[in-house]
Amino acid sequence: QSALTQPASVSGSPGQSITISCTGTSSDIGAYNYVAWFQQHPGKAPQLMIYDVNSRPSGVSSRFSGSKSGNTASLTISGLQTEDEADYYCCSYTSSISWVFGGGTKLTVL
Amino acid sequence: QQKLQESGPGLVKPSETLSLTCIVSGDSITTSNYYWGWIRLPPGKGLEWIGTISYSGSTDYSPSLKGRVSISVDTSKNQFSLRLYSVTAADTAVYYCSKKNGGTSRIDYWGQGTLVTVSS
Repeated sequence: QSALTQPASVSGSPGQSITISCTGTSSDIGAYNYVAWFQQHPGKAPQLMIYDVNSRPSGVSSRFSGSKSGNTASLTISGLQTEDEADYYCCSYTSSISWVFGGGTKLTVL
Repeated sequence: QQKLQESGPGLVKPSETLSLTCIVSGDSITTSNYYWGWIRLPPGKGLEWIGTISYSGSTDYSPSLKGRVSISVDTSKNQFSLRLYSVTAADTAVYYCSKKNGGTSRIDYWGQGTLVTVSS
């Protein structure tokens, strides 16, 4: 099972919006609505930001939203804040009865 | 509020077995619809799913690790464990235990992570 494809890095200025893409195949993202996004600050455990494509856990800011089209999922962060600077990982269920992560995207808030 | 805490050796020799335990507090490990899992973060790389064990004891493992990995539950101690056999330097990583709700991608609780280095 190959890792999902994410851009290595994205950047934006405070207040702007950014989108991180996550590309898979018809055997993972394209087949299931089980896509999650995690935020990870250095030295910390990952934190769930979005699950099941577009659901947000309680306590996560509404500035974070998720979507999916075909084999590609996306995470959008609006109104960028400096504390959003972190690594972001997508994750999907697969037809191999397993889960696969993306390679991670480093978000820099300029 | 659930809490997960990993424990185990921080250094393992090549070809030996990596063993980690995750102690769960705040909820029963046998709660229906909970899946307990292990995920790792190799240095300089992305997260990698290792496997899960369900509340009923059924397991699923990463295809790339199948044959070298085993996850088990000790209900008397409310904890679950990971065993990774025949380790190499490529298994050096921060290992996280996690909890997921069944029927969703909601991995909502994570341990703080523990670094395991494979080296002689």
